[in-house]
Amino acid sequence: GEQVEQRPPHLSVREGDSAVITCTYTDPNSYYFFWYKQEPGASLQLLMKVFSSTEINEGQGFTVLLNKKDKRLSLNLTAAHPGDSAAYFCAVRANTGKLTFGHGTILRVHP
Amino acid sequence: NSKVIQTPRYLVKGQGQKAKMRCIPEKGHPVVFWYQQNKNNEFKFLINFQNQEVLQQIDMTEKRFSAECPSNSPCSLEIQSSEAGDSALYLCASSLSTGYTEVFFGKGTRLTVV
Repeated sequence: GEQVEQRPPHLSVREGDSAVITCTYTDPNSYYFFWYKQEPGASLQLLMKVFSSTEINEGQGFTVLLNKKDKRLSLNLTAAHPGDSAAYFCAVRANTGKLTFGHGTILRVHP
Repeated sequence: NSKVIQTPRYLVKGQGQKAKMRCIPEKGHPVVFWYQQNKNNEFKFLINFQNQEVLQQIDMTEKRFSAECPSNSPCSLEIQSSEAGDSALYLCASSLSTGYTEVFFGKGTRLTVV
C-alpha cells in the first residue's frame, strides 16, 4: 500500500525564518494531497490542499509545491511566527478515498 | 471550521471493557473515516464508509473493533474488549466524496485504557 515519508521529524526556526517540510509518497495513483496542522491537544486543522503539479500560495504565509513526477510534496512557511508552532502532517489520498499520513513534523518557532 | 462532532472527548476504560465513541459527520457528507493516532503521532486507518456501506477496513477493525454508520444516526466505533495498546486519540473525519474533496476531522476521542 501507499507509504508516505515525511521529513524532518523536528524543526526549530527563528521567528521570520522560513521552514520547509517535505513528504514523498509511493503510490503513483495518489491524486489529492493535504497538509494539516495539529496544535497540542487539538484535532487536525486543514491547512492546504493540492492536486496538480503547481505552486499554490494561499496568502496565509504558506506555499505548497507538488511534484507528481518525483512523488514529492512540500510545505514552505515563508516567514514563521510563534503561532505556527505545532505538528504538521501531510496526507495523501488514493483508492477508496482514505488518507495515508506522514509521521509528522514538530515545528517550533522561537522569538 | 470543521463541523464533525465527536463524543465523548475523553474516555477511560479498564482492560477488557467495551469502549464506544460516536461521530456526527459534517452535514451532507456521506463518506466517513475513523483513524487512530497514537502517542508517537502515527495515524492508523481503521475503516471508512460511504453512506452505510463499508468501503475499506483493516484487520484490527474486523476483529475487536466494530463500526457502523446507520442512516439518521451518529456513526460509532466500538472496541469490544479494550487493551492497553488501544490507548490513543480516535479521529473521525468526513468528506463529500472519495474524490477531489476535502477531508475534515473532528476533535477526537482520547481513549485511555487503564
